[in-house]
Amino acid sequence: GNSVTQMEGPVTLSEEAFLTINCTYTATGYPSLFWYVQYPGEGLQLLLKATKADDKGSNKGFEATYRKETTSFHLEKGSVQVSDSAVYFCALSENAGNMLTFGGGTRLMVKP
Amino acid sequence: EPEVTQTPSHQVTQMGQEVILRCVPISNHLYFYWYRQILGQKVEFLVSFYNNEISEKSEIFDDQFSVERPDGSNFTLKIRSTKLEDSAMYFCASSEDRARGSYTFGSGTRLTVV
Repeated sequence: GNSVTQMEGPVTLSEEAFLTINCTYTATGYPSLFWYVQYPGEGLQLLLKATKADDKGSNKGFEATYRKETTSFHLEKGSVQVSDSAVYFCALSENAGNMLTFGGGTRLMVKP
Repeated sequence: EPEVTQTPSHQVTQMGQEVILRCVPISNHLYFYWYRQILGQKVEFLVSFYNNEISEKSEIFDDQFSVERPDGSNFTLKIRSTKLEDSAMYFCASSEDRARGSYTFGSGTRLTVV
């Protein structure tokens, strides 16, 4: 079956530091890949997505590249802000349906 | 920006009781979903709903669970005879089409079974 593995948190960074949150996946087909973000007290929000190999998703300074050869979709941001503090979820969706399979989530804490 | 609204935000119930979790999807969306997250574990798919019927469900979604769209605006998840292990955060989501993964999620209902 499908699965998504994320690095465990919490990840604690100082403002303006570089962020990487690792995500790898296992899928039987050619999934679409997503990063969702959950700010405190809010629902899951789509941050970015990529639908095929070598695609790069980007939004709000965050980027992730769909790497089929390493089955990875690592999230990066060059300079984090305190407002980026949240829980980040990597997820995939297979061709055959649109059910999302999530990773365990990674809590990011950014200190001023 | 349109939102998916879930009520209540927190529900405490006695083991064995029935609970109904409520969701108001975005008005022009056609596909509706429930997910849950047990504390410290992954977000898990429960069920998807389209055209007044279940289109997909996971192994978790057994006879204890049911969904309904009673009035064209609400989308409810009913859990009969709750168990301690049903304690979790339950997320509702909706999407306009089957664009893969591009849902709008609600803020969740935290269900605590005591």
